Amino acid sequence: DTEVTQTPKHLVMGMTNKKSLKCEQHMGHRAMYWYKQKAKKPPELMFVYSYEKLSINESVPSRFSPECPNSSLLNLHLHALQPEDSALYLCASSQDRFGDTQYFGPGTRLTVL
Amino acid sequence: ELKVEQNPLFLSMQEGKNYTIYCNYSTTSDRLYWYRQDPGKSLESLFVLLSNGAVKQEGRLMASLDTKARLSTLHITAAVHDLSATYFCAGTNAGGTSYGKLTFGQGTILTVHP
Repeated sequence: DTEVTQTPKHLVMGMTNKKSLKCEQHMGHRAMYWYKQKAKKPPELMFVYSYEKLSINESVPSRFSPECPNSSLLNLHLHALQPEDSALYLCASSQDRFGDTQYFGPGTRLTVL
Repeated sequence: ELKVEQNPLFLSMQEGKNYTIYCNYSTTSDRLYWYRQDPGKSLESLFVLLSNGAVKQEGRLMASLDTKARLSTLHITAAVHDLSATYFCAGTNAGGTSYGKLTFGQGTILTVHP
């Protein structure tokens, strides 16, 4: 099973709200990733967790806060977002960080009003 | 830092025709991936190419890798409408603090017409 699940599928939030995105995988993968994708652009890496530790933060604003509670779960906490943060947020996982194929979840379509 | 460039960025094909998408990358990459994305959907892994001369085929798609030229190609044979999608190539950084990071090309939007 190569499935990565994400909830919710769609999220609309105001600039003062706090919300969270959730990602789950049960493939025993030890690396998990958050990407942001704007329309007609490639995914941009935000964060990488390897063995439940944050190993890459691509200079993402602090209004995005990742959390990896255990090896199967990855959260992205959102607070005080801006309209330009509206995008498709993709979670991915791989066997380990170092180059294994990344399997992507279906994404959360986020709209910030 | 690895840079990946695809061309063409837009490709309009007739059904039944053949065409090739090119992916150039700037520095050593441990491996090269091809992904497909349908509109509004997630990315589906198509191929991973690990070594010079690697060739992989699935249905009407064939991917190859030339590490000396830093070039990968995705060849489409006898296109059908179902192949309409955006295709991304991606390489992995081979060293430094970004080791293992996936760097994507801009994507090629493929439209197959009857």
